[in-house]
Order: sequence, then structure tokens, then C-alpha cells
Amino acid sequence: GAVVSQHPSRVICKSGTSVKIECRSLDFQATTMFWYRQFPKKSLMLMATSNEGSKATYEQGVEKDKFLINHASLTLSTLTVTSAHPEDSSFYICSASFVGGSVETQYFGPGTRLLVL
Amino acid sequence: AQKITQTQPGMFVQEKEAVTLDCTYDTSDPSYGLFWYKQPSSGEMIFLIYQGSYDQQNATEGRYSLNFQKARKSANLVISASQLGDSAMYFCAMIKWAGGTSYGKLTFGQGTILTVHP
Repeated sequence: GAVVSQHPSRVICKSGTSVKIECRSLDFQATTMFWYRQFPKKSLMLMATSNEGSKATYEQGVEKDKFLINHASLTLSTLTVTSAHPEDSSFYICSASFVGGSVETQYFGPGTRLLVL
Repeated sequence: AQKITQTQPGMFVQEKEAVTLDCTYDTSDPSYGLFWYKQPSSGEMIFLIYQGSYDQQNATEGRYSLNFQKARKSANLVISASQLGDSAMYFCAMIKWAGGTSYGKLTFGQGTILTVHP
């Protein structure tokens, strides 16, 4: 199957700092990547759709200036949490669309656990 | 709007037995896809199985099979011969298709925590 990596896997930062999370498709090109947020034992909440070479599309209620998304190449999307606060602590997970045969499947990265102190 | 419902917050099964995880969906779109993902405690989302709305046969992948009942709008996951390593959270998800391509967004259910007992 297609492989998606995420870096870092865990990050602890002080309140007010910015944190960048990278999402890479390792063995395929992904014109579209997605960023999700997940609270413990809860479902995934889509934050935004990241399109290569264009601006991200954010879901309702997600602050664009808070969660900056850049999709600079067909294999890399980044999420930057700006001026992080404790309430931003969460599990962030990305996915990338891969078309195999006639089926388009989303493959997920391993996720990033963010803790803001 | 699409909606996915998983009504079982938690399920328990004995090792080597089969278990069914329920998933119902609501959509007015004629073309859609249904996925099941497994999320162990490590957090990674592992793709298990896919069913297209026009697929005539129920999807199967090893010990996983999808009981697709289109008229009832249900897409239950059946895990046969449960193993201890199957203990995880399981998510049902739906994607909308149009003209051979998807709109990309996955709609997830609430998830079901499966615990396999030895």
C-alpha cells in the first residue's frame, strides 16, 4: 500500500510558540492531502484540504491564521500551528489520496501528538 | 449532507470468534464509497477494506469482510477469527464520488473500541 509519513511524531512546546508538522507521501504523488484533528477516544475532525500549488480549503470553524497549511510539492504538505496555546494540544493526523486501479483511497500518516504547556 | 453512524461505543469478543461492527450511513448521493479503518493505541489509521456503492459483491480482505446492505444503508464490518492484535478503535467512513473522481472528504463515524479477550 501507499505510505505516508509525518514528522515529528511527538512535540512539546511552550505556549506562544509555533509548531510545524510535515506530511509526506513517500512512494506516490498526492495532489490533495487532508489534515485532521482528533481528541482522545473521539472521531477525526477534518480541518482542511490541502491542494498542491493553491490555497488550502478550511472547514467551518477552523482558523486559517492559526493553522497555516502549505502544500509546496506533490509529496509534501505542512501544517503550522501558530502561537500555540494549551487548547491546541491534540493529535494531528494527515492523509493523502492515492488512486490504485479504479479506487481512490486515503492513506494516513502516523499522526503527531502535540502538547502545549 | 452525508452522515455515518456507529452505534456501538465498545465491543468485546473472545479470541478466535467472529465479531460484527455496525455502521449505518445516510446520503442522497447515488455514487459513494465506504471505508473501514483500524486505529490501534499508537494512533496510526490503518486502511482495512473498501466498498463502492455500485459494487455487486461484498468486499473481502483476508479476515475482514464488509456486509453491504444498500437498501438498509448499512456497511457492517465482520472480523473473523479475532486475534488479540485486533484490539483497537475502528472507524467507518464515507466518501462522495462524482464523475469518476471524489470530492476527497471522508466523513467518519464516531468509532467503536473493540477489545479481544484471550
